[in-house]
Amino acid sequence: GAVVSQHPSRVICKSGTSVKIECRSLDFQATTMFWYRQFPKQSLMLMATSNEGSKATYEQGVEKDKFLINHASLTLSTLTVTSAHPEDSSFYICSARGEGGDTGELFFGEGSRLTVL
Amino acid sequence: GQNIDQPTEMTATEGAIVQINCTYQTSGFNGLFWYQQHAGEAPTFLSYNVLDGLEEKGRFSSFLSRSKGYSYLLLKELQMKDSASYLCAPMDSNYQLIWGAGTKLIIKP
Repeated sequence: GAVVSQHPSRVICKSGTSVKIECRSLDFQATTMFWYRQFPKQSLMLMATSNEGSKATYEQGVEKDKFLINHASLTLSTLTVTSAHPEDSSFYICSARGEGGDTGELFFGEGSRLTVL
Repeated sequence: GQNIDQPTEMTATEGAIVQINCTYQTSGFNGLFWYQQHAGEAPTFLSYNVLDGLEEKGRFSSFLSRSKGYSYLLLKELQMKDSASYLCAPMDSNYQLIWGAGTKLIIKP
């Protein structure tokens, strides 16, 4: 099946620094990728929908200037957490939809656990 | 509004059968997914139902009743590795998946 790779899997950074997370579709082209955040014991929260070649669509309450999304190619989307603070510590997960259009299976990356000190 | 209702936690015995129920309310409906998520890991796909009825896939089966806004995931011959959270995720009219907190399934020997 389709594979989505996410990197890094774990990152620890100091408060005020920026962190970039990459999401790659390895064997298929993903015009749309999704970025989620998940706090412990809580549901996945959609942060934004990343569209190749255009601006990302952010969910209500998500600061687009803080969470920068770039989807420059059909196989790569990046999420940059700018000026990270301890409250940004979370599990960030990307996903891409496989074949089947809008109802196609969502393939998830391995997730990136961010800890901001 | 849109919401999902699943039990927070369930416990079952290795080798047994367990049914995880899910009721949902969405703005429009384009099918329902079940995902498995082990602690600290990303979700993995289990099933997708768009028509009423039962879909069987090995030890796992998923049922959907659109008129009742109801689905269940049936796990047979439980194994210790099945200990995980199970996420019911209906898709709304905009093809957005709606996520709940999931059901944490604990398997005991």
